[in-house]
Amino acid sequence: DAGVTQSPTHLIKTRGQQVTLRCSPKSGHDTVSWYQQALGQGPQFIFQYYEEEERQRGNFPDRFSGHQFPNYSSELNVNALLLGDSALYLCASSLGTGQGVSEAFFGQGTRLTVV
Amino acid sequence: QKEVEQNSGPLSVPEGAIASLNCTYSDRVSQSFFWYRQYSGKSPELIMSIYSNGDKEDGRFTAQLNKASQYVSLLIRDSQPSDSATYLCAVIGSNYQLIWGAGTKLIIKP
Repeated sequence: DAGVTQSPTHLIKTRGQQVTLRCSPKSGHDTVSWYQQALGQGPQFIFQYYEEEERQRGNFPDRFSGHQFPNYSSELNVNALLLGDSALYLCASSLGTGQGVSEAFFGQGTRLTVV
Repeated sequence: QKEVEQNSGPLSVPEGAIASLNCTYSDRVSQSFFWYRQYSGKSPELIMSIYSNGDKEDGRFTAQLNKASQYVSLLIRDSQPSDSATYLCAVIGSNYQLIWGAGTKLIIKP
């Protein structure tokens, strides 16, 4: 049973560029949430996808966008990268949304460095 | 105002002792509570979930929930150096979103 997989594991980008991060959820899960974790901080919720739609969104600018595919995998896109976007980006999968949401399981994360 | 509060630590505990980690939350409607362990540079790993008042034990770990006082705690018995990590408390709030504490750094001293 495959767990949550993220790619790439590490990425270096230049300020102003665009980046796409990918996530495949745990088998049987249908909901994908994305988090940004700065050094020494807890994960900050970016958004959640369920049934190919963005269901909830945290306090992140429109430069952060996403997509969910019919196989439940998801992408996180960040445009016009800033130095402050450097962080560990975590994908978490769970089953259901709303009142039926289950506990989340995380991928290994993508370490993004913006220079 | 933060919705989930944890002492950032570091909390230093001798090997073999009991480590006690605490978390308070502000949303009274919260029904689901989780403890995650995160090693440096790695992703969080779910170690305990608790949904009802009282204690829940799993091996050396015990989660305690008190909804009236709005706190949840994690006890680690017979602490080992491998338990050294940051422990994150997460709560599913009234908007059905996982709300995270900033984490408590735990150091187990041999």
